Amino acid sequence: EVQLLESGGGLVQPGGSLRLSCAASGVTFSSYAMTWVRQAPGKGLEWVSTISGAGYSTYNADSVKGRFTISRDSSKNTLYLQMNSLRAGDTAVYYCAAGGIRLGLFDFWGQGTLVTVSS
Amino acid sequence: DIVMSQSPDSLAVSLGERATINCKSSQNVLYRSNNKDSLAWYQQKPGQPPKLLIYWASTRESGVPDRFSGSGSGTDFTLTISSLQAEDVAVYYCQQYFSTPYTFGQGTKLEIK
Repeated sequence: EVQLLESGGGLVQPGGSLRLSCAASGVTFSSYAMTWVRQAPGKGLEWVSTISGAGYSTYNADSVKGRFTISRDSSKNTLYLQMNSLRAGDTAVYYCAAGGIRLGLFDFWGQGTLVTVSS
Repeated sequence: DIVMSQSPDSLAVSLGERATINCKSSQNVLYRSNNKDSLAWYQQKPGQPPKLLIYWASTRESGVPDRFSGSGSGTDFTLTISSLQAEDVAVYYCQQYFSTPYTFGQGTKLEIK
């Protein structure tokens, strides 16, 4: 059974930084592209960042370019999202998702971690 | 960017009746390598993460009940629930994975009438 467990969310002041982690189990980690998708309170889904299975290619939404960095550590089966220069508009539940069928398709999802940016 | 638009925004259907949700993409999402449309449907129940239901516009994910079906091509797609069950109450999202930025529709809230 595939399990994705996010951690690292919390309350941070505007301009601050936070690093999210997503631990994967039950899956051959390097075979899956990994993605962060966020959902602001009461809103819809927004794609944030994707990293290929081998980690050589990354893709980011314009709204986070230059501020967020996605990475992965295959030795730890863990996905990361380094978030810098955080803004109130980044407040959301951040989900990690794994995709093995096609880049950009999200087969499995974690339960999410809440990031709140507020003073 | 490819814009995904769903209709309606909300829908109330009686138990056992058919529910239909539409999704329109602003551009064609045909993946030429397999001649299939890069369109997925997700179900999100309250307090839960989204769950993949349908991909390549009409391929049902393993374990998804066969009352869920996807259809359409080009820029117009449909998710149909043939006989609504109480556990189908959720928000449904379409998503294109043809190109980045990967984009979702705004969601359709499905309730019981």
